[in-house]
Amino acid sequence: GQSLEQPSEVTAVEGAIVQINCTYQTSGFYGLSWYQQHDGGAPTFLSYNALDGLEETGRFSSFLSRSDSYGYLLLQELQMKDSASYFCAVRDGAAGNKLTFGGGTRVLVKP
Amino acid sequence: DGGITQSPKYLFRKEGQNVTLSCEQNLNHDAMYWYRQDPGQGLRLIYYSQIVNDFQKGDIAEGYSVSREKKESFPLTVTSAQKNPTAFYLCASSPTGGAGNEQFFGPGTRLTVL
Repeated sequence: GQSLEQPSEVTAVEGAIVQINCTYQTSGFYGLSWYQQHDGGAPTFLSYNALDGLEETGRFSSFLSRSDSYGYLLLQELQMKDSASYFCAVRDGAAGNKLTFGGGTRVLVKP
Repeated sequence: DGGITQSPKYLFRKEGQNVTLSCEQNLNHDAMYWYRQDPGQGLRLIYYSQIVNDFQKGDIAEGYSVSREKKESFPLTVTSAQKNPTAFYLCASSPTGGAGNEQFFGPGTRLTVL
């Protein structure tokens, strides 16, 4: 089976940097994804790491260390619109693109 | 425009009734998924299908059923055997294999059992 741990909530001010950590335990690992979900909305894909290292996409970056079963999502230059829940998800390659999601981290951005 | 549609957006059901949630995609994706989300929680996989006429149970399949008769459609039936069906239901699709790691989600159906 799979299990993922991430903090439940983070609060920060506009312009700040937030790091959301995700640790996982899996029987098979093919990659770590991050999704954003605004209240009442659908999750949207942010990033995917299959190999160790940092992936940068604009203000958001994602990091993976497979040896530590650990990854993080870095949100830079926070904006009010970044207030949302962020989920890490592990891909189980043995079953196609099946994902197991963490419980989510609610990010609240204050003025 | 390509995408995933779910209907209805809100659904109310009396206890003991079965109800079917619709999910349609025109992205030409082989794989489709159903998730359940409870307030303040993550997504839990109910069923998934990687190809037409085939599907597998996810982590919380009890009390649910699905069919995959067409590539673009993956309806979910919430049966009366599901003890606590009130939740937000999300459908997703993705290409299979290779770098198809992104799942595309529909807008969701919020089911309330009265």
